[in-house]
Amino acid sequence: AQKVTQAQTEISVVEKEDVTLDCVYETRDTTYYLFWYKQPPSGELVFLIRRNSFDEQNEISGRYSWNFQKSTSSFNFTITASQVVDSAVYFCALRPPSDSWGKLQFGAGTQVVVTP
Amino acid sequence: GAVVSQHPSWVICKSGTSVKIECRSLDFQATTMFWYRQFPKQSLMLMATSNEGSKATYEQGVEKDKFLINHASLTLSTLTVTSAHPEDSSFYICSAARRSYEQYFGPGTRLTVT
Repeated sequence: AQKVTQAQTEISVVEKEDVTLDCVYETRDTTYYLFWYKQPPSGELVFLIRRNSFDEQNEISGRYSWNFQKSTSSFNFTITASQVVDSAVYFCALRPPSDSWGKLQFGAGTQVVVTP
Repeated sequence: GAVVSQHPSWVICKSGTSVKIECRSLDFQATTMFWYRQFPKQSLMLMATSNEGSKATYEQGVEKDKFLINHASLTLSTLTVTSAHPEDSSFYICSAARRSYEQYFGPGTRLTVT
């Protein structure tokens, strides 16, 4: 069975602080895809990153960075120098290749609140 | 590219009526579309998977007779909530898959049943 756990329900920070969101997953598949999505108050899901399980290279994109540790089944996400516009719910998701239709298993989400 | 639209963006209907929500992939063909429901402060819950030209596959616990899904073409899927009740009030989100690992989400439809 697939499972994605985002233990942090809400994180509140002051602008310019760094924020790290935790994501731990469970899967029996040896290959899979991991995703992070952002859902601002408007409701639309915004794709942030996709990572193949074969690719453990960590990535930095602007103020965003991701730390994929296959050994600990974690795919954490960091926002550096947070801004008010980063306030949103962030979802981690798992897509096992065993599902040919590409269904996503979402975590519960972490609400990030950035105050000025 | 890879834009998915939903219509309407919000709808209010009376209890007992039916509501149709459209999901369109605007600039690509989507062989598979997904429908999710999201209650306030909760995660997305997959309701069903639809493939063009075939019957939708519903997740356990989702009433197929209540949530009718029609994937009429490679760019259009519709979700009809039949005989809606207040407990059906939710945020409905569709997504369209261009390739097996590329899934694009629509902006969502907020349904309120009074």
